[in-house]
Amino acid sequence: AQSVAQPEDQVNVAEGNPLTVKCTYSVSGNPYLFWYVQYPNRGLQFLLKYITGDNLVKGSYGFEAEFNKSQTSFHLKKPSALVSDSALYFCAVRDPDRGSTLGRLYFGRGTQLTVWP
Amino acid sequence: GAVVSQHPSWVICKSGTSVKIECRSLDFQATTMFWYRQFPKQSLMLMATSNEGSKATYEQGVEKDKFLINHASLTLSTLTVTSAHPEDSSFYICSARDPGGGQFFGPGTRLTVL
Repeated sequence: AQSVAQPEDQVNVAEGNPLTVKCTYSVSGNPYLFWYVQYPNRGLQFLLKYITGDNLVKGSYGFEAEFNKSQTSFHLKKPSALVSDSALYFCAVRDPDRGSTLGRLYFGRGTQLTVWP
Repeated sequence: GAVVSQHPSWVICKSGTSVKIECRSLDFQATTMFWYRQFPKQSLMLMATSNEGSKATYEQGVEKDKFLINHASLTLSTLTVTSAHPEDSSFYICSARDPGGGQFFGPGTRLTVL
């Protein structure tokens, strides 16, 4: 079965410092991996995805994520955090066996990122 | 970019009434739409997956007669919460998948049942 783990409920960083939000996954084949951000009382906004190709994926708002197959990880990173980055971040994996246009997303439980001024 | 809208953004209703939530993909055709429910400070729980023109596939434990889903066109899906009760109060989020496999989320609907 597919699953995603976000080991940290909360990540706190100072503005200007680099940030990392961790995600590990478990799938039966090649994974399709996603990061989404959610602001209070809002839906999820797409940040980036990994389907194939370069292991380093660049996304919206200066975020990037590195796919590491040997460690089954897809950590979200940003070189310099902003206070406005404070939000809830979800990692997700799609069932690869059903292709890129089918299959459901499996979400992690979310990590609350707080960036202090 | 792909935009998904939801209407209404919030609704308050009396116990026993039915509430309809609309989800639209504004600039792309969505062959598949998803409905999620989110409790405070928790992850999204998939309720059902709907494909245009066919019956929705409900996740285990989700009552299909209570949460009616209609996906009548490639740009519109509706979720109707029938005979709503206070325990149905939640944040409901729809999502639409574009032909390229990207999945985009609506802004959510806050339902409060009194």
